[in-house]
Amino acid sequence: DGGITQSPKYLFRKEGQNVTLSCEQNLNHDAMYWYRQDPGQGLRLIYYSQIVNDFQKGDIAEGYSVSREKKESFPLTVTSAQKNPTAFYLCASSIPGEETQYFGPGTRLLVL
Amino acid sequence: AQSVSQHNHHVILSEAASLELGCNYSYGGTVNLFWYVQYPGQHLQLLLKYFSGDPLVKGIKGFEAEFIKSKFSFNLRKPSVQWSDTAEYFCAVNIYGNNRLAFGKGNQVVVIP
Repeated sequence: DGGITQSPKYLFRKEGQNVTLSCEQNLNHDAMYWYRQDPGQGLRLIYYSQIVNDFQKGDIAEGYSVSREKKESFPLTVTSAQKNPTAFYLCASSIPGEETQYFGPGTRLLVL
Repeated sequence: AQSVSQHNHHVILSEAASLELGCNYSYGGTVNLFWYVQYPGQHLQLLLKYFSGDPLVKGIKGFEAEFIKSKFSFNLRKPSVQWSDTAEYFCAVNIYGNNRLAFGKGNQVVVIP
C-alpha cells in the first residue's frame, strides 16, 4: 500500500528542546516537501528537496533544519530557535515534472 | 512574490445549496492550478487540477473549477452540496517548471444538514 507516513501523530516538546518529525514515502518520488499549517494561514513551505542530498529553503525556513540522505526519507528538525513551533506539520512528495503533490497525515506539535 | 488569495474564509450553507469558492493568483506567466480538500481528521487530498486544455475542469465528488486566465482566477464550484462536503478547501498555484506550490489561506466550509 503506497503512501506517505508521518510519525508521531502528536508530539509534545518542552521549550528549548529540538525535536525531529519523521516523513517516509514509498511512492518512489524524487521530490519531498515540508509545510506548516496554522489556522487561517493556509500551508506555508518550510523546506523542499528535489533529489537526495539536496534541499532548498522555503518561505519560512528559520528555526528548522532538514536532511535528505535517502530517497524515501525527509526528516524535519524543529530547533529551539523556532520561536513559535506549535503547529500542524505536513509532509508531501511529488514526481518532478508532474507537479501534483501527495500529502501525509501530518504531525501536530505542541510546545509545553 | 507569487500569492494566492481566497476570500470568505468561513462559509456556512445548507445541504443542496450551491457552493462557489474564489481563488485568485498574482503570477502572470504559465501556471498549474490545484484545489485540495482536507476533510475532518483526514489527509489533504487533491480535488482537481488544471494544467492545460479545457479551462473547465471536473474533479471528484461533483466539484468543478474554471480557469479564467484574464481574471487570474480558478474558482471552485459545486451545484448542490452535501453534509459530507464539510471540509477545508485550499487553492494552490504552481509556476510552470517550478516544483513549488503556493497555497491560499483556505476556506472552511460547513454544510448544515
